Amino acid sequence: QSALTQPASVSGSPGQSITISCTGTASDIGGYNYVSWYQQYPGSAPKLIIYEVSIRPSGISSRLSGSKSGNTASLTISGLQAEDEADYYCSSYSRSATLVIFGAGTRVTVL
Amino acid sequence: QVQLQESGPGLVKPSETLSLTCIVSSGFISSHYWSWIRQPPGKGLEWIGYVYSNGRTQDNPSLNSRVTISVDTSKNQFSLKLTSVTSADTAVYYCARGDEEQPWRFDYWGQGALVTVSS
Repeated sequence: QSALTQPASVSGSPGQSITISCTGTASDIGGYNYVSWYQQYPGSAPKLIIYEVSIRPSGISSRLSGSKSGNTASLTISGLQAEDEADYYCSSYSRSATLVIFGAGTRVTVL
Repeated sequence: QVQLQESGPGLVKPSETLSLTCIVSSGFISSHYWSWIRQPPGKGLEWIGYVYSNGRTQDNPSLNSRVTISVDTSKNQFSLKLTSVTSADTAVYYCARGDEEQPWRFDYWGQGALVTVSS
């Protein structure tokens, strides 16, 4: 089962908005609304920031939002801040035997 | 607040078995899925498998049946065994909690344990 496809890096200036894409297939992203996003700082564990495509867990900033169109999910960070500099991973339920697959991760840099 | 903590040897020899345990803060291990996820140095995340609180398991077929995951609810812990390891199994291993109905959504994670496979 191939990983979901994410850009390796995305950058933006403080205050700008950036969007990270995550492309899969009809067997995962396209077939189900079970896309999650995780934020990971260096040396730390991933943290769930979005689930079921667009739902934010309690305590997660409203500057983070998720969406999906066809086989591609997206994470948008609005009003970019220095604290947003991290790695971001998408994941999706997969109807294959793998159950869940991840993207390779996107490094967000705040210029 | 759910807390998870991995423990186990940080160094394993090639062809041997990697063993890790995850201790879950008291009272939280029932009615959830408990997964192992790994991250090779500088790379992305890979789901290894889960165990439900009743002992039911599922693992990633890409690991070629080398995985055994078990749960001990009396001790609030679950464990991972990965056999016949090679250098490709060197990674940070995380334990994580899956949602009660969506085991593919991980809402709590341990801090991670680096396991190096080397002679």
